[in-house]
Amino acid sequence: DQQVKQNSPSLSVQEGRISILNCDYTNSMFDYFLWYKKYPAEGPTFLISISSIKDKNEDGRFTVFLNKSAKHLSLHIVPSQPGDSAVYFCAASAEQGAQKLVFGQGTRLTINP
Amino acid sequence: GAGVSQTPSNKVTEKGKYVELRCDPISGHTALYWYRQSLGQGPEFLIYFQGTGAADDSGLPNDRFFAVRPEGSVSTLKIQRTERGDSAVYLCASSLMGQPFNEQFFGPGTRLTVL
Repeated sequence: DQQVKQNSPSLSVQEGRISILNCDYTNSMFDYFLWYKKYPAEGPTFLISISSIKDKNEDGRFTVFLNKSAKHLSLHIVPSQPGDSAVYFCAASAEQGAQKLVFGQGTRLTINP
Repeated sequence: GAGVSQTPSNKVTEKGKYVELRCDPISGHTALYWYRQSLGQGPEFLIYFQGTGAADDSGLPNDRFFAVRPEGSVSTLKIQRTERGDSAVYLCASSLMGQPFNEQFFGPGTRLTVL
């Protein structure tokens, strides 16, 4: 059973516009959520995170929104840049298993010039 | 400073053989993790070390998989009697304890192909 789901395998956005990547989860014990970015032949790199006590966290062009009642989070990138083209993974961790990250399947974002 | 390094970057082996995959974490990071990423999927947790001991090995798929971290730094993931289904990218990550959130720093991975 997939506890963290990214239902869009791919997304294409024009440079300068907003990119919105979505993630749903099923485990109500998750209390930290993270987004990782991955380029080919590299390991995932941390992008931004949010604790379950917040509903929004912002870092420059990146903002993560959390809707606990809907068990949904999203990553907004604005304005999108060509260097943002990568695979984005949503991940979650639970208080009881705090060191184990559960990842979604990933969304491949392509920014078109 | 240096990031997480993994060797080899690629490993091709035959079904039934034994393989070892190595991870060098970031210096000073006490926590070390192994994940496995199959094609088209996200990383899947295998095992987590805190210091020398395995704090959580619930993700190891079966007893053919074993990992050690004898001195609390470098870790080796060992796979016995490899099967074609073991083919994947094996990722290692490390982190500092006491972080307000669980930011893990990943290595580039070892791509294992079992023929």
